[in-house]
Amino acid sequence: KAGVTQTPRYLIKTRGQQVTLSCSPISGHRSVSWYQQTPGQGLQFLFEYFSETQRNKGNFPGRFSGRQFSNSRSEMNVSTLELGDSALYLCASKINLNTEAFFGQGTRLTVV
Amino acid sequence: AQKVTQAQTEISVVEKEDVTLDCVYETRDTTYYLFWYKQPPSGELVFLIRRNSFDEQNEISGRYSWNFQKSTSSFNFTITASQVVDSAVYFCALNMDSSYKLIFGSGTRLLVRP
Repeated sequence: KAGVTQTPRYLIKTRGQQVTLSCSPISGHRSVSWYQQTPGQGLQFLFEYFSETQRNKGNFPGRFSGRQFSNSRSEMNVSTLELGDSALYLCASKINLNTEAFFGQGTRLTVV
Repeated sequence: AQKVTQAQTEISVVEKEDVTLDCVYETRDTTYYLFWYKQPPSGELVFLIRRNSFDEQNEISGRYSWNFQKSTSSFNFTITASQVVDSAVYFCALNMDSSYKLIFGSGTRLLVRP
């Protein structure tokens, strides 16, 4: 069966712009979570959605937001981009909240 | 506080050597889950194993084995007869019933040389 699909794979944006990343979970998975990976901070949790509700949020500024649709697909939005937002953004899907997470290949965002 | 420590930043071995990746965790929860993920250069995190806090049995899957010891809060990962394709960054992670977010260690970069 198809894995977690993230689009786009690569993005280059300018400081101050906003960006929307998309994630399609594995069919039947109701949980989608987002992680940011940078060389300095490693893998950090952004937020998790389950049945269209945000269940948990990491320690990121309000410029980072997300949502989940009724078909479990999720989008993540970052407004007023900063150079420090350059990172690999990984999406993961789970069948339920306490099961293993399966990750997509990520979206590599570069802010210039 | 919850935390995962992978003290080994980088390990280099020659093909066919055995290698053990260390993972030490901290949590006050009695119910928690431990994971190992592999991240090849392509970037995707590949799920390897999930263990819950009530199951201390060691597990073997092919050349991979895992040793979970609650007494030392460790969940170590051994690759037997390593191969070049095992070269990747390996992450240990933790989550709890009180919060389902994954808390990752800093990762261990494994280089297997031919």
